[in-house]
Amino acid sequence: AQKITQTQPGMFVQEKEAVTLDCTYDTSDPSYGLFWYKQPSSGEMIFLIYQGSYDQQNATEGRYSLNFQKARKSANLVISASQLGDSAMYFCAMREAQTGANNLFFGTGTRLTVIP
Amino acid sequence: GEEVAQTPKHLVRGEGQKAKLYCAPIKGHSYVFWYQQVLKNEFKFLISFQNENVFDETGMPKERFSAKCLPNSPCSLEIQATKLEDSAVYFCASSHPRRGSEQFFGPGTRLTVL
Repeated sequence: AQKITQTQPGMFVQEKEAVTLDCTYDTSDPSYGLFWYKQPSSGEMIFLIYQGSYDQQNATEGRYSLNFQKARKSANLVISASQLGDSAMYFCAMREAQTGANNLFFGTGTRLTVIP
Repeated sequence: GEEVAQTPKHLVRGEGQKAKLYCAPIKGHSYVFWYQQVLKNEFKFLISFQNENVFDETGMPKERFSAKCLPNSPCSLEIQATKLEDSAVYFCASSHPRRGSEQFFGPGTRLTVL
């Protein structure tokens, strides 16, 4: 089974509007971390935001916020006030704590296009 | 340094040739990870190190892939006898000794096997 599922291959948003990128995850580990990365066309991977499974509040970083719904196993990324520079691939990823591994499991990404 | 450095940026090899990729993690980070990204969206974990010790190698195709992280040297990922399907971008990432810290990625090495 896929550990991370991103069901939106592509999304469009008008400049200055908000957009939600979906991410669901699958784990039996009670301790895990969820990450979002941005990959512009230039190819680098940029860390955006992190949510720990025991965090009580949703994570926020500037215009990025993570809508964490633990019971539904979803960790959607919300980008407010979209900018043209937000056009990129966005990857959701998870790290499980108890397996001992520290590597990230990635989803297949969502390509966001911001329309002027 | 303050960024993960990867060299070379691009590498072209004929099928069957050897390829060697290098990664310098952020100073003070003791975890190093190698990922393979194919088709612009699929990431595959290959191997991780804690300092110079292999931490997890469950993703490595061991018959042709090998990796090292030696003291005072860049980490390396080597592919013996490359195949067409090895064409991908190879990312190195490093993270702080505190387990669970976010991973910082290098710019990647694009390997093209002809």
